[in-house]
Amino acid sequence: GQNIDQPTEMTATEGAIVQINCTYQTSGFNGLFWYQQHAGEAPTFLSYNVLDGLEEKGRFSSFLSRSKGYSYLLLKELQMKDSASYLCASMDSNYQLIWGAGTKLIIKP
Amino acid sequence: IAGITQAPTSQILAAGRRMTLRCTQDMRHNAMYWYRQDLGLGLRLIHYSNTAGTTGKGEVPDGYSVSRANTDDFPLTLASAVPSQTSVYFCASSRTGDVTGELFFGEGSRLTVL
Repeated sequence: GQNIDQPTEMTATEGAIVQINCTYQTSGFNGLFWYQQHAGEAPTFLSYNVLDGLEEKGRFSSFLSRSKGYSYLLLKELQMKDSASYLCASMDSNYQLIWGAGTKLIIKP
Repeated sequence: IAGITQAPTSQILAAGRRMTLRCTQDMRHNAMYWYRQDLGLGLRLIHYSNTAGTTGKGEVPDGYSVSRANTDDFPLTLASAVPSQTSVYFCASSRTGDVTGELFFGEGSRLTVL
């Protein structure tokens, strides 16, 4: 079956670095997505990886290893506004997104 | 810039009632989607439409119907609501041909069925 696993909750300190992991098993693979969702709001797109390696976008970076079915989202210089849920999603061979339940990130001062 | 507009933002209704959640986009995106989001679960696709005039079933389509008469509108109808349909519903759209497949979401409709 298709499955996305990511931690339910993580806590980090303002100014620090945090890595949110995601493992996926999907029928075929057409890319790995990360979305940010603040409480009570809509998800917003953060990153897309289809090739192995690291994609950097400002304070946020996303990594993909297709052979391991593994991705992570790296957030640097954490700010209080980064407190949100981070959703990992894999696109399968039918171009349908399979979503993880999300990782709630709590930032402490 | 409106993007995607959903209505209502919140609704409480009695079981057995009919309900339509509205979704309108002004980005001229061909593809549109309806998801439900429940605590502890990932977003689950209910129905989708790749272009005006066509619709398809997602992962959890039972109890829901959609229509796509034009590019901008994609309403979701619950013919006879049941308590298990209590959820937050998100409408989304994407650009055809966008290799990243980025989704643009509406603000959500919180539905409670009693």
